[in-house]
Amino acid sequence: AQSVTQPDIHITVSEGASLELRCNYSYGATPYLFWYVQSPGQGLQLLLKYFSGDTLVQGIKGFEAEFKRSQSSFNLRKPSVHWSDAAEYFCAVVTYSGAGSYQLTFGKGTKLSVIP
Amino acid sequence: SAVISQKPSRDICQRGTSLTIQCQVDSQVTMMFWYRQQPGQSLTLIATANQGSEATYESGFVIDKFPISRPNLTFSTLTVSNMSPEDSSIYLCSVVEGETQYFGPGTRLLVL
Repeated sequence: AQSVTQPDIHITVSEGASLELRCNYSYGATPYLFWYVQSPGQGLQLLLKYFSGDTLVQGIKGFEAEFKRSQSSFNLRKPSVHWSDAAEYFCAVVTYSGAGSYQLTFGKGTKLSVIP
Repeated sequence: SAVISQKPSRDICQRGTSLTIQCQVDSQVTMMFWYRQQPGQSLTLIATANQGSEATYESGFVIDKFPISRPNLTFSTLTVSNMSPEDSSIYLCSVVEGETQYFGPGTRLLVL
């Protein structure tokens, strides 16, 4: 079955430090991959997405992610974290189950804390 | 990008009652989804609602518990019926526009 794994439940970084959030997927075909952010008490916001082409994807708020097929990974990165980046981050993969239907499968999320 | 609004944004309900959550989109969309996010958990798809057809429910979710309406291409409702404390969750409406899935702000439900 298709799945998404986020190995890190909780990460703490200092403000200004670099960040990498890990995401591994399990899907036989070319995946459509997303990263969402959920700030406390807020809904989900799309950070970036990958469909095809350039494997390094730029998103909003200074985030980027790199698709690595050989490692089945789609890790999210930011060179310098701001205190406002403290939130929960979800990796997701679109999986097509045939007959025109599909679903979005989410990882369990990584909570990011930022130390001033 | 699609803009989604949900009503109510939050509610506290007594067990045994029902709550209907509304989802309004600012554009016409074919596919609309309802998700649940239980405390400390990731999102779980409840059902897919396409206009003009019956909603399709995921394993573990049934129409009697979560009836859905989809009267037109911009609106849907999800009812949480005969609520119990286990139904305390955030319920999110979601749509697909182009190749991207967008989410509403969620309805935070607490069942006492």
